[in-house]
Amino acid sequence: AQSVAQPEDQVNVAEGNPLTVKCTYSVSGNPYLFWYVQYPNRGLQFLLKYITGDNLVKGSYGFEAEFNKSQTSFHLKKPSALVSDSALYFCAVRGSTLGRLYFGRGTQLTVWP
Amino acid sequence: DTGVSQDPRHKITKRGQNVTFRCDPISEHNRLYWYRQTLGQGPEFLTYFQNEAQLEKSRLLSDRFSAERPKGSFSTLEIQRTEQGDSAMYLCASSLEGGVVETQYFGPGTRLLVL
Repeated sequence: AQSVAQPEDQVNVAEGNPLTVKCTYSVSGNPYLFWYVQYPNRGLQFLLKYITGDNLVKGSYGFEAEFNKSQTSFHLKKPSALVSDSALYFCAVRGSTLGRLYFGRGTQLTVWP
Repeated sequence: DTGVSQDPRHKITKRGQNVTFRCDPISEHNRLYWYRQTLGQGPEFLTYFQNEAQLEKSRLLSDRFSAERPKGSFSTLEIQRTEQGDSAMYLCASSLEGGVVETQYFGPGTRLLVL
C-alpha cells in the first residue's frame, strides 16, 4: 500500500534562511513522488516530481527536493526562503496503478520577515 | 486561462439536497481525477476517468456520489441527499497520458458547505 507522512504540521523560518519540509513515503514498487503547494482558498499547484535518475530534483520557484531511497524520504528544500513562500505544502506518492495520488496531511510553512 | 476550471467555486446547501459540480480539464488532457479535501487533511482520491471511461472509484465514493464524463471532456460530480459530513473542498485534476509518470494539474476547487 502507498502512503506518505509529513511529520511536521508547521515549519517556521526567517526570510533568507534555508527551509526544509520533510516527507517520508511507503510504496510497493517504484516510488513516484510529488510536491504541491496550496495557497489559501486555492487549488494545488505543482512544484516538482521525482520519477527516476538524479536524486536532486529541481522545480518551480527555486524549490528542489532530495530523494533518499534508503531513508524513504523526499524532503523539499529551498536555499533562501521568501515571505511569499508561506503556504501549505503537500507531498504525494503515486499509486501503483492508474495514477491516483496519495497525499500527506500537509505542512504549513510560515516565513517571517 | 488554459488551466483546469471548476464551477461553482462555492456552494452552500441544506442537508438532503442534491448538488452538482462541474470540472473542465486542460483541453488536450484525457485523464481526469476527482479528490476531496477536508480541513486539516490532504486531498483524498475519489474517482478517475480516462477519456469517458470511469476506471477507478474509491470506497469513499458512496452510493450517493456519482461522476460522469460523457464525451471525454468536462466532468460532473453529483452528490445526492447531502449530509453535513460531505462538507469539504472538491478538487478536480487533469493530466495527459504519456511518458513514465504524468503530472496532475489541479483546478481551484469547489468548496461545499452542507447546513
